[in-house]
Amino acid sequence: GENVEQHPSTLSVQEGDSAVIKCTYSDSASNYFPWYKQELGKGPQLIIDIRSNVGEKKDQRIAVTLNKTAKHFSLHITETQPEDSAVYFCAATDSPGNQFYFGTGTSLTVIP
Amino acid sequence: GAVVSQHPSRVICKSGTSVKIECRSLDFQATTMFWYRQFPKQSLMLMATSNEGSKATYEQGVEKDKFLINHASLTLSTLTVTSAHPEDSSFYICSAPRDGEKLFFGSGTQLSVL
Repeated sequence: GENVEQHPSTLSVQEGDSAVIKCTYSDSASNYFPWYKQELGKGPQLIIDIRSNVGEKKDQRIAVTLNKTAKHFSLHITETQPEDSAVYFCAATDSPGNQFYFGTGTSLTVIP
Repeated sequence: GAVVSQHPSRVICKSGTSVKIECRSLDFQATTMFWYRQFPKQSLMLMATSNEGSKATYEQGVEKDKFLINHASLTLSTLTVTSAHPEDSSFYICSAPRDGEKLFFGSGTQLSVL
């Protein structure tokens, strides 16, 4: 089955700086890669996703890049704000109707 | 707004009682829903896949008789923790793929068994 690894497990940045979280996957059949933000005591919230036919996607301060050859994808958050502090999970699947495989999570702290 | 609704958000029960958690897709039909368990500071652990009109598929190590799943309609799946014990205390989350495109999560249920 698929194995998704995520790094780092914790990340602290100064407000206004950028944050980068990286994930690798093992199954070449995976073709959909979402990122989720989870705040304490809440369910994960989809923040951005990318499909395997695209190398990069951007939504305001958030961007995701995908390297299918190397089987890794990354989340980039620019101009970080304190409200960006949360746990971020990457995931991979070969179909949204099938099982999603999640990374172990990154706890991001943005220091004001 | 919310795409997947989950209730209750928090429940405290006595050991030996059963607790039902509901997961609803709000503006779409979901033939499949997923149930997860999450321990503090850990990732999501898939417990089972709920299939509308058929039996749920449980992950290895998850007791079917303890965690009863019913997916009776295209918008509702329920997870019942039967004869709950303190070790069942956890954060339970459901999710559903919308239009086969994106996976959305409920807000989670914090279960505390005394």
